[in-house]
Amino acid sequence: EVQLLESGGDLVQPGGSLRLSCAASGFSFSSYVMSWVRQAPGKGLEWVSSITSSGDRTNDAESVKGRFTISRDNSKNTVYLQMSSLRAEDTAVYYCAKGIGGNFYDVWGQGTLVTVSS
Amino acid sequence: EIVLTQSPATLSLSPGERATLSCRASQSVSSYLAWYQQRPGQAPRLLIYDSSNRATGVPARFSGSGSGTDFTLTISSLEPEDFAVYYCQQRSKWPLTFGGGTKVEIK
Repeated sequence: EVQLLESGGDLVQPGGSLRLSCAASGFSFSSYVMSWVRQAPGKGLEWVSSITSSGDRTNDAESVKGRFTISRDNSKNTVYLQMSSLRAEDTAVYYCAKGIGGNFYDVWGQGTLVTVSS
Repeated sequence: EIVLTQSPATLSLSPGERATLSCRASQSVSSYLAWYQQRPGQAPRLLIYDSSNRATGVPARFSGSGSGTDFTLTISSLEPEDFAVYYCQQRSKWPLTFGGGTKVEIK
């Protein structure tokens, strides 16, 4: 079964850091683009970051550039999102997603909640 | 940044009726547009990619059309499980962007 399982979400203070992980199974992980997409409470979807299959290139939303870093370990079938200098507006459910035909997403995790609050 | 504008914001229909959802891009995205369905408390589900290609396992009542700046998602006959929020997304240019969503609710 194709599956993505996120972890690492937590309550963190403004200015703090957090690392999210997404473990993949059931498909050839190293062949696909992976991304993070977030959803603030009661709001729509916002693309955050993407990484190529080999990990040699990344793209980030302007809202997180310089604060968030996406990476992957193909030997562990895992993609990460390192988040720093967190702000209240980063509060959201963070989904990892598998790319199909580039950056459309055919498999999504269940999401992990990040809450930034003092 | 390419802005995707979805309309209407809310669509009130009865089961069995036809639903027509619109997504308009602020500049051409060619055919690089997808549609997702999100039910309450669930992750999004890919329905349509590259404007008109149904994703694996998506029922034939869902269809997509359009190119350039104007796109449509049609649900030919609404089933109870189709009442949800629908988002469009473009991958033509960075940054990737989503529309604000259309909620299809039971009338």
